[in-house]
Amino acid sequence: NAGVTQTPKFRVLKTGQSMTLLCAQDMNHEYMYWYRQDPGMGLRLIHYSVGEGTTAKGEVPDGYNVSRLKKQNFLLGLESAAPSQTSVYFCASSYSQGAFGYTFGSGTRLTVV
Amino acid sequence: LAKTTQPISMDSYEGQEVNITCSHNNIATNDYITWYQQFPSQGPRFIIQGYKTKVTNEVASLFIPADRKSSTLSLPRVSLSDTAVYYCLVEANDYKLSFGAGTTVTVRA
Repeated sequence: NAGVTQTPKFRVLKTGQSMTLLCAQDMNHEYMYWYRQDPGMGLRLIHYSVGEGTTAKGEVPDGYNVSRLKKQNFLLGLESAAPSQTSVYFCASSYSQGAFGYTFGSGTRLTVV
Repeated sequence: LAKTTQPISMDSYEGQEVNITCSHNNIATNDYITWYQQFPSQGPRFIIQGYKTKVTNEVASLFIPADRKSSTLSLPRVSLSDTAVYYCLVEANDYKLSFGAGTTVTVRA
């Protein structure tokens, strides 16, 4: 039982390059989320999805795009990476609303130089 | 979203009990109190949730007074492996969870 899987685990990008982070869950969860974590700032919500084909903006959406074409996958895209996007990115999923039952992936460490 | 306040850091020694208090003065009637734990290089994981009084599971206990304006997470007999960041969340049926900076608990031998 894999839970939430994030790929890649590490990546170094040059400023202006693009990339896509993949999140896959095998728990049939409706809700999926992308967070970023910076030192001393906890986790901040970037985008989220309440079901296949839906996406919505979170707290810090600028510079990111997302897609949820399949229920089990949630993709986070950076069209033109900036050094300010250097962070650890976490994907999570849940089967319902509320704070109970979030499952997080192990994170993607992204460095933009 | 109800705002929470918790200490930035706490130090302890193996075998001791660690109590982390979270303040949430503006908690709403239908808000639940939830705690997550995050180890280095891992995503947060759910450890306990409660609404009022006391909740206990195999990992921790959660104490909530009658006015619900604060809550205390209790970790009994901590070990080195309990070194982590602990987050207190107060949300009501909201899938957009907000994590603050949390409390960094360091357990020493």
